[in-house]
Amino acid sequence: RKEVEQDPGPFNVPEGATVAFNCTYSNSASQSFFWYRQDCRKEPKLLMSVYSSGNEDGRFTAQLNRASQYISLLIRDSKLSDSATYLCVVNVAWDKIIFGKGTRLHILP
Amino acid sequence: GAVVSQHPSRVICKSGTSVKIECRSLDFQATTMFWYRQFPKQSLMLMATSNEGSKATYEQGVEKDKFLINHASLTLSTLTVTSAHPEDSSFYICSATRGGGELFFGEGSRLTVL
Repeated sequence: RKEVEQDPGPFNVPEGATVAFNCTYSNSASQSFFWYRQDCRKEPKLLMSVYSSGNEDGRFTAQLNRASQYISLLIRDSKLSDSATYLCVVNVAWDKIIFGKGTRLHILP
Repeated sequence: GAVVSQHPSRVICKSGTSVKIECRSLDFQATTMFWYRQFPKQSLMLMATSNEGSKATYEQGVEKDKFLINHASLTLSTLTVTSAHPEDSSFYICSATRGGGELFFGEGSRLTVL
């Protein structure tokens, strides 16, 4: 099993729809979790941290399921500007950070 | 928020030359810096992990003699691509962490080797 796995997509979703994707991780000792967004030819930018209790930021909701070892990202009322690649990042140890390969999202007008 | 600056943002060089890319954390001391490479339409690939004052830890398949990493201070790490060839053309990105897992990324450096 890969250390961090994501469905590469692409997810083609009509504007206004809700979309969700998961990221699974293999190391149960993983400490912290993040979702990053990367636009084409740009560096990744932090979208949100993922807390055990789950967290919400506007249209975005992130959740962590330690028992099943996955994190999720839900985007409600999707906008054209949400089109990007979403990277799951897992901090296994203080100096070991693993990236998922990213999930490509295309919001269709 | 924390800022990481990467320089140069674009570089074009001739085959066989060496190119140095700098990564600076501007407003915090970075315990660890990471270097990545990203080819078009592919995901980020970690090349090496760099801790100040110690040798970098390279990922499998990354040639340490070709990609020299120097982390001389808590705010500066450099990546030197030695004897660059066209297949080294890529987007190189650094990131830094001050602990806690959150990463702060540089803007990336696009290398084109002719």
